Amino acid sequence: GAVVSQHPSWVICKSGTSVKIECRSLDFQATTMFWYRQFPKQSLMLMATSNEGSKATYEQGVEKDKFLINHASLTLSTLTVTSAHPEDSSFYICSAILAGGPSTDTQYFGPGTRLTVL
Amino acid sequence: AQSVTQPDIHITVSEGASLELRCNYSYGATPYLFWYVQSPGQGLQLLLKYFSGDTLVQGIKGFEAEFKRSQSSFNLRKPSVHWSDAAEYFCAVGRGGTSYGKLTFGQGTILTVHP
Repeated sequence: GAVVSQHPSWVICKSGTSVKIECRSLDFQATTMFWYRQFPKQSLMLMATSNEGSKATYEQGVEKDKFLINHASLTLSTLTVTSAHPEDSSFYICSAILAGGPSTDTQYFGPGTRLTVL
Repeated sequence: AQSVTQPDIHITVSEGASLELRCNYSYGATPYLFWYVQSPGQGLQLLLKYFSGDTLVQGIKGFEAEFKRSQSSFNLRKPSVHWSDAAEYFCAVGRGGTSYGKLTFGQGTILTVHP
């Protein structure tokens, strides 16, 4: 099946610094990728939709200036957490859709990136 | 706005026993429904999905789910659980139209399997 990777798998950073997380579709092209956030013992919450070649669309309540998303190619989307603070510590998960229409396509998820901000 | 409720945070079953994980959704139109499984260190894996048609959906690993519009439910079932099924299970609903990929997840149900 299609594979989505994320890098790094975990990262620890100091408060105030920026962290970039990569999401790659390894064996397929994805015009649309999604970024989710998962707090401990909680569900995934959609943060934003990343479309290749256009600006990301953010869900209500998500700060677009804090969570910068770039979808530069059909296989790569990046999430940059700017000026990270401890409350940004979370598990970030990306997904990519293997296009084929709503009844046939499938959304593949990456393994996630654990961000800890000290 | 759509929402998903998984009433059971944690379920424990014996290996070989049957399993049913509950999922209730709230959505104004015909929903796109999904069940995913999450194992530690691995990405969410799709078990099955419902878009239309037959309300009983067969998935991978012997799982099935039944869409009941009258009850707004999409419960996941397996007739005989294996120890390898221990994981966290998420029910999700997709938005309609071109936003079908935008998923709203339930809180998840952790499944523990006793030998």
